[in-house]
Amino acid sequence: NAGVTQTPKFRVLKTGQSMTLLCAQDMNHEYMYWYRQDPGMGLRLIHYSVGEGTTAKGEVPDGYNVSRLKKQNFLLGLESAAPSQTSVYFCASSYVRREQYFGPGTRLTVT
Amino acid sequence: AQKVTQAQTEISVVEKEDVTLDCVYETRDTTYYLFWYKQPPSGELVFLIRRNSFDEQNEISGRYSWNFQKSTSSFNFTITASQVVDSAVYFCALSESSYGNKLVFGAGTILRVKS
Repeated sequence: NAGVTQTPKFRVLKTGQSMTLLCAQDMNHEYMYWYRQDPGMGLRLIHYSVGEGTTAKGEVPDGYNVSRLKKQNFLLGLESAAPSQTSVYFCASSYVRREQYFGPGTRLTVT
Repeated sequence: AQKVTQAQTEISVVEKEDVTLDCVYETRDTTYYLFWYKQPPSGELVFLIRRNSFDEQNEISGRYSWNFQKSTSSFNFTITASQVVDSAVYFCALSESSYGNKLVFGAGTILRVKS
């Protein structure tokens, strides 16, 4: 099993450009999440999904959109990137009320 | 509202020393879950332990042990006989039953183990 995978691993964007981060899991988990990690702030939840076709906002959702068209995939979109979105993005998945398993992260730089 | 505080920003120890990482949480729920994750220099997040609010038994796994005390809202993590490979950032996290399965993380503690 690959667990949780993220694509791409690194990306550099210019302000105003758009991109999509892909997260895939092969553990048949119902729940999926997107977090961002910034220095000294731990991880903060952007959006999450409790099942195929459902999404909800987390702690810091502004500037991001998500979609969960298939159970195993969770996409994070940036429509118009800003330097404040420079961060490391982690995807995670879990069963209900169980520990979350994280992907390797995507390092995004917006110039 | 839920909150996790890891007051120790950075700890440095010499190999073979014991070290305790502190975690204090705030929640209004009676049912909640506490977690510890390790983030080594390679960057991935590794799950270490999950504890629910009804189980206050301490847990030991090899050199790792966890002390959960509801009376002080703390869930501390001790590494016995630390090794260089323990050098990492350690995160404590909280999930409330009424908040779905979402995790609220502390800011993390950087542990540096010197040989």
